[in-house]
Amino acid sequence: DVKVTQSSRYLVKRTGEKVFLECVQDMDHENMFWYRQDPGLGLRLIYFSYDVKMKEKGDIPEGYSVSREKKERFSLILESASTNQTSMYLCASSLYSGRYSGANVLTFGAGSRLTVL
Amino acid sequence: QKEVEQNSGPLSVPEGAIASLNCTYSDRGSQSFFWYRQYSGKSPELIMSIYSNGDKEDGRFTAQLNKASQYVSLLIRDSQPSDSATYLCAVKGADGLTFGKGTHLIIQP
Repeated sequence: DVKVTQSSRYLVKRTGEKVFLECVQDMDHENMFWYRQDPGLGLRLIYFSYDVKMKEKGDIPEGYSVSREKKERFSLILESASTNQTSMYLCASSLYSGRYSGANVLTFGAGSRLTVL
Repeated sequence: QKEVEQNSGPLSVPEGAIASLNCTYSDRGSQSFFWYRQYSGKSPELIMSIYSNGDKEDGRFTAQLNKASQYVSLLIRDSQPSDSATYLCAVKGADGLTFGKGTHLIIQP
């Protein structure tokens, strides 16, 4: 029973390309998150959203934007991909609503491994 | 900057022994504490949560919390090769959830 689905498991893009990473959850969760995970750096929060059309910057938002037009869908956008954005990208969702509440029990998607050449 | 510290390992434990994973955090106001397991090439999955001082047991797993010492641990009894993974400690404070970098655990058959 798949709960958080990321559209692409592996992507290879060229420097300067625009990249869309899509995430869909079927659990009716209010909160959705985008992380990147790199060896030695752990999980770092890029953006999160606690409601439709709402977004908050995480720890490393530079070079990224997000879109949440529907409750179940949260997209991460790299306007102009660079080699330092080569990483594993993880989408997650959680049940509770509110600006900083919840973010407790995260359900992660399978991840999208992006390589920028 | 809220910090969550874990020993990166690898921590090598014989099969059947107790694996002890430790985590310290800097935000004294933290309220909720979580352990996620991440197999190589997979995404993290929640295995334990703990909210109050003391021990919480779930099968072979025990989470321990000491807020005064700002310390949370995970014990895995009767360790199995299938427990080999990276274990991420996550701490929720007023500013949201902060992950440690994880401890790589290896269970030796």
